[in-house]
Amino acid sequence: NAGVMQNPRHLVRRRGQEARLRCSPMKGHSHVYWYRQLPEEGLKFMVYLQKENIIDESGMPKERFSAEFPKEGPSILRIQQVVRGDSAAYFCASSPEAGETDTQYFGPGTRLTVL
Amino acid sequence: QKEVEQDPGPLSVPEGAIVSLNCTYSNSAFQYFMWYRQYSRKGPELLMYTYSSGNKEDGRFTAQVDKSSKYISLFIRDSQPSDSATYLCAMSEGSNYKLTFGKGTLLTVNP
Repeated sequence: NAGVMQNPRHLVRRRGQEARLRCSPMKGHSHVYWYRQLPEEGLKFMVYLQKENIIDESGMPKERFSAEFPKEGPSILRIQQVVRGDSAAYFCASSPEAGETDTQYFGPGTRLTVL
Repeated sequence: QKEVEQDPGPLSVPEGAIVSLNCTYSNSAFQYFMWYRQYSRKGPELLMYTYSSGNKEDGRFTAQVDKSSKYISLFIRDSQPSDSATYLCAMSEGSNYKLTFGKGTLLTVNP
């Protein structure tokens, strides 16, 4: 059973360009979460999605950031007009249907560098 | 006050030592508690998960939760060099809910 897949693993963008980060959850998981890890900082929640629905986006910056989890295909985190402060590791996690023992399993991350 | 406080270390111990890692939290709504291990430039790996006060043991790892004191711990027995990593505590208010992480403690186990 493949784990959570993220691509690309490394992404370099110049200021003002767009960054698209992809996440394929574990098989059988329908919940996807995105987290950001800034240098010397802990993991911070950004957004929680189920198929075709955004459940909680309380951690998303109000501008330039968006996320989707379409009916078919991976979840996408999109950052428009990137700035140097967006440089970070972005992690996706997935979990199965709700239940007492469900937990979040993380992918390897995408390391975004903004030049 | 941050929601979750974790001493960042670094913590350096000899092989075979017992390691104690701790987090405190302020949000009494947290009901689920997890410990993740993160190797350098990798994703967090789930180690332990619990939703009740008390102890939970898995091999060399024991997770302890004290909800009355808002304090959680992870103990590693017979520590190995391969345990060298950053350990992150995480907690949530419910299942399928966002996780709030501590900053992580960097552990080095010296052979």
